[in-house]
Amino acid sequence: SQQGEEDPQALSIQEGENATMNCSYKTSINNLQWYRQNSGRGLVHLILIRSNEREKHSGRLRVTLDTSKKSSSLLITASRAADTASYFCATVAGPSGSARQLTFGSGTQLTVLP
Amino acid sequence: EAGVAQSPRYKIIEKRQSVAFWCNPISGHATLYWYQQILGQGPKLLIQFQNNGVVDDSQLPKDRFSAERLKGVDSTLKIQPAKLEDSAVYLCASSLTGGGLTEAFFGQGTRLTVV
Repeated sequence: SQQGEEDPQALSIQEGENATMNCSYKTSINNLQWYRQNSGRGLVHLILIRSNEREKHSGRLRVTLDTSKKSSSLLITASRAADTASYFCATVAGPSGSARQLTFGSGTQLTVLP
Repeated sequence: EAGVAQSPRYKIIEKRQSVAFWCNPISGHATLYWYQQILGQGPKLLIQFQNNGVVDDSQLPKDRFSAERLKGVDSTLKIQPAKLEDSAVYLCASSLTGGGLTEAFFGQGTRLTVV
């Protein structure tokens, strides 16, 4: 089953603009991760935010987490054509320890037009 | 550092045939995942290993899918017999620790087409 649901499903912007993707989930989590997938390739980890953190930055990426609303957002600033990819949120939840699952959402397809 | 290696990259088989995928995780990574990704969807967890033990296989169709991780390193995923709906990309991933506490590193995947 999919824990996270991304919104929007598809997003098209011009190079230089900012892109915001949202993720909602259903159960309590240990952490939430964002991954990027270029067409026909494997997934690449972007950022991990723990349940006790509210915001995290990495280069042009900014991730926020609101556990009360069970939602997260990924902001990509000053987008480039190379940012064109599918973006997935993945939640880590489960009983404890190694039994926790890494569950992916359905993804947002971002297209950055030159 | 070498990444997660998967083979083959592509496979085309007829329905009811069997197929096997191989994964070599990053050296020292305790956790190994197999995911199924159908076109246009997010990856769906099939099975998760911690060293050579199964942590979660609740979404693995056990009547046709099997997986093993020998000596806590390499892993194989087998489908027997294959159905048309098994057409997907099969992704292997590994992480240093269990419980999703560290990032997962993914291989390039095996694209399976069942005709």
